[in-house]
Amino acid sequence: DAMVIQNPRYQVTQFGKPVTLSCSQTLNHNVMYWYQQKSSQAPKLLFHYYDKDFNNEADTPDNFQSRRPNTSFCFLDIRSPGLGDAAMYLCATSRGDLDSGEQYFGPGTRLTVT
Amino acid sequence: GEDVEQSLFLSVREGDSSVINCTYTDSSSTYLYWYKQEPGAGLQLLTYIFSNMDMKQDQRLTVLLNKKDKHLSLRIADTQTGDSAIYFCAEKEKTGANNLFFGTGTRLTVIP
Repeated sequence: DAMVIQNPRYQVTQFGKPVTLSCSQTLNHNVMYWYQQKSSQAPKLLFHYYDKDFNNEADTPDNFQSRRPNTSFCFLDIRSPGLGDAAMYLCATSRGDLDSGEQYFGPGTRLTVT
Repeated sequence: GEDVEQSLFLSVREGDSSVINCTYTDSSSTYLYWYKQEPGAGLQLLTYIFSNMDMKQDQRLTVLLNKKDKHLSLRIADTQTGDSAIYFCAEKEKTGANNLFFGTGTRLTVIP
């Protein structure tokens, strides 16, 4: 089945220690997104790639970076995690050529910062 | 920015219908979506509606859109315990790329 995969599902890192979260997809979608979701809140878009073009949201902290080496993979790098970065991180994909633009989400990675 | 509002909680008895409501402010929204999130999981796309439609039905799900009032609802017929989850509405703005703006989510609890 075509899907969006996130690894790991649970990640524990130390305060200030860089961490990378991974997302891969078999849908062959050209747009990939990273969202941050804190407890009892709506997902908040951090950035997205439209093909190779990176689009950062204005209020995304510089501490968050992303890489997309190819169509299938996208990474979220947190350079110096703080306690406030503990959250669920959701990856999503969509077809940029579709007006409907529906996004398909992975299961998420829950990040704990100690 | 866009505001998408939902009531936080809804409880219904198993077998009854559930109606989850959403209001939004962006009159240029083109598509509106409903997503379901079970505990500890990602978001599952349930259905979506184009802004020039006023109703869409898909099995137990009925979406109603009142564009004049900027009001969207999701009706779940014959609600089951497996429907217990958080439901998010989201809108896609007319301009820009594919950004979605999510509501605050409604936690649906189905009582057996």
